[in-house]
Amino acid sequence: ETGVTQTPRHLVMGMTNKKSLKCEQHLGHNAMYWYKQSAKKPLELMFVYNFKEQTENNSVPSRFSPECPNSSHLFLHLHTLQPEDSALYLCASSQFPGRAGGYEQYFGPGTRLTVT
Amino acid sequence: GENVEQHPSTLSVQEGDSAVIKCTYSDSASNYFPWYKQELGKRPQLIIDIRSNVGEKKDQRIAVTLNKTAKHFSLHITETQPEDSAVYFCAASRTGGGADGLTFGKGTHLIIQP
Repeated sequence: ETGVTQTPRHLVMGMTNKKSLKCEQHLGHNAMYWYKQSAKKPLELMFVYNFKEQTENNSVPSRFSPECPNSSHLFLHLHTLQPEDSALYLCASSQFPGRAGGYEQYFGPGTRLTVT
Repeated sequence: GENVEQHPSTLSVQEGDSAVIKCTYSDSASNYFPWYKQELGKRPQLIIDIRSNVGEKKDQRIAVTLNKTAKHFSLHITETQPEDSAVYFCAASRTGGGADGLTFGKGTHLIIQP
């Protein structure tokens, strides 16, 4: 696998379930991110990790719990979600500080989450 | 925090014509402005970016301009082709996306009419 991968690609869960989303980057980057993409809203930053340390939590409810065991892996643990949490969850990675001329973030394919 | 406004939400142009998408940002400390293209069912992909020490950048049919004083930046696509049809997102960041992540606009659905 190359680039940024995410599993599962699709997930349906009930409001009382606990599930986890996984992201892996094969680019040698040191920063990883979770974004939420809903139908009616722009891409929303959720969490930022630099060198495995969380550097930003964008006022995300505690029912979303991130974990970054190393610079290549990022998890999003989900519990007692609400139907409005249904969305596409995108993982991204980048190199920080970036090389001259670019700090681009590379996105994974996303996990389509449906909460019933 | 940063707020990014993007216009228009939908843009329809004839094939071969030019398309312009505009964004404004609120945080004067933002210094990195990427543009992403997202085709239906696919991941966002970076198409061009610009840093605050540059006023304009071009890559073949795509160009981005930045006006720091007015806090706005624009994407220009010339000689549009059917494969340019997609949703385009602008974004802004204070530290190049490394420490703060990106704040995105709401997206522009670009439709290329044959």
